[in-house]
Amino acid sequence: GNSVTQMEGPVTLSEEAFLTINCTYTATGYPSLFWYVQYPGEGLQLLLKATKADDKGSNKGFEATYRKETTSFHLEKGSVQVSDSAVYFCALRVDTGRRALTFGSGTRLQVQP
Amino acid sequence: NAGVMQNPRHLVRRRGQEARLRCSPMKGHSHVYWYRQLPEEGLKFMVYLQKENIIDESGMPKERFSAEFPKEGPSILRIQQVVRGDSAAYFCASSPGDRDYEQYFGPGTRLTVT
Repeated sequence: GNSVTQMEGPVTLSEEAFLTINCTYTATGYPSLFWYVQYPGEGLQLLLKATKADDKGSNKGFEATYRKETTSFHLEKGSVQVSDSAVYFCALRVDTGRRALTFGSGTRLQVQP
Repeated sequence: NAGVMQNPRHLVRRRGQEARLRCSPMKGHSHVYWYRQLPEEGLKFMVYLQKENIIDESGMPKERFSAEFPKEGPSILRIQQVVRGDSAAYFCASSPGDRDYEQYFGPGTRLTVT
């Protein structure tokens, strides 16, 4: 079956520190990969995506590269801000007609000023 | 363009009662997905609907849970005879019919069963 594994949180960083949140996946077929962000009390927002191997998704200073050889999609940001504090979810979708997303368990990021 | 709307945002039910969760997709979206998030866990897919059709309900518990998306009005997730284990956040997402890859999420309904 399909599954997503994320590093456990919380991840606590100081403002302007470098961020990496690891994500690896197992999937049948060739998945599309996503990062979603959930701010307190809100729903999930799509942060970035990549639909094929070696694609790099980027948005708001965040980046992630689709690595087929290591089945990974690690999220990175060069300089985090307090406003980046949220829960980050890695997800995949296999284009077999079933459109459901498979999510990791989420990683809570806390950025301190 | 208003986003995905869900109501109520918080719902408290006693064991054995029924819970009805509503989801209005974004304007122009005809596909709706329901996910459940248990405490400290990721979201788990429950059901995928188009107008008047259930396309994939492979994530729905076999008993007590049902979903619909009528021709008019919001999508409804219905939980009969709730138990404490149903306490969770229930998220709805919608997507346009002609794009597969992006689902837009609502703010969720937090169900507490006492």
